[in-house]
Amino acid sequence: EDQVTQSPEALRLQEGESSSLNCSYTVSGLRGLFWYRQDPGKGPEFLFTLYSAGEEKEKERLKATLTKKESFLHITAPKPEDSATYLCAVQPSGAGSYQLTFGKGTKLSVIP
Amino acid sequence: GAVVSQHPSRVICKSGTSVKIECRSLDFQATTMFWYRQFPKKSLMLMATSNEGSKATYEQGVEKDKFLINHASLTLSTLTVTSAHPEDSSFYICSARGAGDSPLHFGNGTRLTVT
Repeated sequence: EDQVTQSPEALRLQEGESSSLNCSYTVSGLRGLFWYRQDPGKGPEFLFTLYSAGEEKEKERLKATLTKKESFLHITAPKPEDSATYLCAVQPSGAGSYQLTFGKGTKLSVIP
Repeated sequence: GAVVSQHPSRVICKSGTSVKIECRSLDFQATTMFWYRQFPKKSLMLMATSNEGSKATYEQGVEKDKFLINHASLTLSTLTVTSAHPEDSSFYICSARGAGDSPLHFGNGTRLTVT
């Protein structure tokens, strides 16, 4: 059974204080690993897709990296507007398989 | 970018009534749509996979007669919660993807409260 574990559950940072969120996964063959951002009362917003170990993607203050067992979302010099819950999800390989397994998320709070 | 529109954003209904939630892909054709349910501090839980022109595939433990899904076109899927009860109160989110390896895009969710 595919599993995704995110840590920490919650993270409070001062504005400008860089940190990383972790996503550990077990999956029977990885087709893709996804990061989403979710604001309260809203649906998840797509951030990145990573396909293979060693791959990195960047967007503004965010950088996602991938190994064979985990992914990190690095946040550099965060701002209060980066406060949100960050979700990680995996898509297993296999013909016709597009069902994602999500972690519980990391709730990030950036304090001015 | 791809936009998925979900309506209504909030609905309050009385126990025993039915509620319909719509999910539309606005700028792309969605061959597959997914319906999720989200509880506080829990993972998004996949309820069912909706394929245009065919019956939905429900996850284990999800009652297909209670959660009716219709995917009438490449841009519209609906979820009807029939004979709603307070335990059906939750945040329901739809998602859609286009062709190829395009990522899932999500609607803004529907907060259902059954009184």
